[in-house]
Amino acid sequence: AQTVTQSQPEMSVQEAETVTLSCTYDTSESDYYLFWYKQPPSRQMILVIRQEAYKQQNATENRFSVNFQKAAKSFSLKISDSQLGDAAMYFCAYGEDKIIFGKGTRLHILP
Amino acid sequence: EAGVAQSPRYKIIEKRQSVAFWCNPISGHATLYWYQQILGQGPKLLIQFQNNGVVDDSQLPKDRFSAERLKGVDSTLKIQPAKLEDSAVYLCASSLGGLTTNEKLFFGSGTQLSVL
Repeated sequence: AQTVTQSQPEMSVQEAETVTLSCTYDTSESDYYLFWYKQPPSRQMILVIRQEAYKQQNATENRFSVNFQKAAKSFSLKISDSQLGDAAMYFCAYGEDKIIFGKGTRLHILP
Repeated sequence: EAGVAQSPRYKIIEKRQSVAFWCNPISGHATLYWYQQILGQGPKLLIQFQNNGVVDDSQLPKDRFSAERLKGVDSTLKIQPAKLEDSAVYLCASSLGGLTTNEKLFFGSGTQLSVL
């Protein structure tokens, strides 16, 4: 069965600095999708970035980028120029026939 | 564009009582999901609808949980009877079309259930 592991329960970063959130997953499939979702205190999950496994190029969305290492089954999220509004829970997710979420990383932004 | 609407936002019940949650997805979205998010964990898929048909309910505890999506629009998730371990946030999500998991999910703000 597919699993998603986020080994950092909490992280902190200084405002305007860069932070990287880690995620590893386990699967025997070759075609799948990976996601990072953000969950602020409002509880509403918001898609941050999405990566297709068949694409070698790492996805980028403004200040958010990923480092996708398919062989290592690693999918980390880099947030550049961190802002106070980035403070939230971040969930890594794997999608094949259904979407499976990791346990999340709580990100604190220090002013 | 209106988002995914859920109600109620909070619910407190005693164990063995019943409870129902309501979800109105984004207009035109064919696929609807119910997730259970226990404190400190990521969301777990309970059930997935494509229009008004069930696609996946493999993780739905069918002895106490039930869900329906009448006319392929609104959906209701019910728990009867509730147990202490059902305390969680219940998230509803919708996506535009098919069963491909590359589609963006739009989430509601969830219902926080406390079972005493």
